[in-house]
Amino acid sequence: EVQLVESGGGLVKPGESLRLSCTASGFTFRDYNMNWVRQAPGKGLEWVSSIGGSGAYLYYSDSVKGRFTISRDNAKDSLFLQMNSLRTEDTAVYYCARGHDYGDYVPDPWGRGILVTVSS
Amino acid sequence: QSVLTQAPSASGTPGQRVTISCSGSSSNIGSNYVYWYQQLPGTAPKLLIYRSSRRPSGVPDRFSGSQSGTTASLAISGLRSEDEADYYCAAWDDRLSGVLFGGGTHLTVL
Repeated sequence: EVQLVESGGGLVKPGESLRLSCTASGFTFRDYNMNWVRQAPGKGLEWVSSIGGSGAYLYYSDSVKGRFTISRDNAKDSLFLQMNSLRTEDTAVYYCARGHDYGDYVPDPWGRGILVTVSS
Repeated sequence: QSVLTQAPSASGTPGQRVTISCSGSSSNIGSNYVYWYQQLPGTAPKLLIYRSSRRPSGVPDRFSGSQSGTTASLAISGLRSEDEADYYCAAWDDRLSGVLFGGGTHLTVL
């Protein structure tokens, strides 16, 4: 069974940094693209960033480009999101999600999500 | 603002058939597969349809997907109260080089 477990969320002030982690199990991690998707309170889903299986290909939404960095450690089956210069509008539940199939980026399955709150 | 456009709400009565549409452009729906998710309050999205019309195992055949040009549709037949949820479409966008989600449609079962 595929499992994705996010960690590292919490409450931070505007301008501060936070690093999210996602630990994967139940599949060959290095074979799949991975994603971060977020959902602000009461709002829809917003794609944040994707990374290819080898880590060579990185993609970001315009809203986080230059502030967030996605990375992965295939030896530890782990995905990361380094979030710098956080803004109040970054407040959301952040989901770690695998690419649906080999070579796909569109996400599925998903982790349970972790809340990031940016507030002074 | 989502580039994939969905109506914010839809409704139907038990047993009815409801269709939710997702409108995009040549760089997303027009050239890539569409995926549909169901999200219940407080939970992660659940995949209903992948590659525009395929159902994952365990998803009832009451759910079906179709795609034509730059528009995709999710149909739910034999509507049930437990279908009341938010529904999202998604597709890879070649111009953005990223995943696009629709704004979501909240389905109410009357």
